[in-house]
Amino acid sequence: DVKVTQSSRYLVKRTGEKVFLECVQDMDHENMFWYRQDPGLGLRLIYFSYDVKMKEKGDIPEGYSVSREKKERFSLILESASTNQTSMYLCASSVGQGETQYFGPGTRLLVL
Amino acid sequence: QKEVEQDPGPLSVPEGAIVSLNCTYSNSAFQYFMWYRQYSRKGPELLMYTYSSGNKEDGRFTAQVDKSSKYISLFIRDSQPSDSATYLCAMGNTGGFKTIFGAGTRLFVKA
Repeated sequence: DVKVTQSSRYLVKRTGEKVFLECVQDMDHENMFWYRQDPGLGLRLIYFSYDVKMKEKGDIPEGYSVSREKKERFSLILESASTNQTSMYLCASSVGQGETQYFGPGTRLLVL
Repeated sequence: QKEVEQDPGPLSVPEGAIVSLNCTYSNSAFQYFMWYRQYSRKGPELLMYTYSSGNKEDGRFTAQVDKSSKYISLFIRDSQPSDSATYLCAMGNTGGFKTIFGAGTRLFVKA
């Protein structure tokens, strides 16, 4: 079975803090994705990566950056957390273009 | 116009009922279609994957794709309280990386 893990289930941070969210997949998938999920808005793509050190902006990249130094690991960085970044963050991976995405359990981030 | 429209519900049904969940979409280039189930405070898990038009059945679940109408459906037979979750439709085309997700329909199955 594909397994995607995320470093934290719940996080509470202060406004202005730098926040790191980590995602690891164990199936040698090429592509990895970061989404945020908010009530009524569904899943919105923040960034994705199709190879090590490669990244592409999604629909809402402002205020976020990403890092992919190893194939299995994809990190989401909030450079200076703000209250409007309070959300559920979901990581996903897929084996190739147009293939099924497999999700991690999510990280609930609260920014105070 | 949104690329994918999905009624958010909530949809409440008695145990044993047949449930019909639906999405409409606007991009005729979409070639693959998925349904995910998401329990509260968990990540989405893949339920069904369909490529192009037609039906696919897996146990109590049937996915239908009508590309001519740009309409996809998920049917759940003999619904159970454990089916209570949010169901997300998703779709994309093989030439791109992005998958488009519906906002999800919240389903409650009452015992």
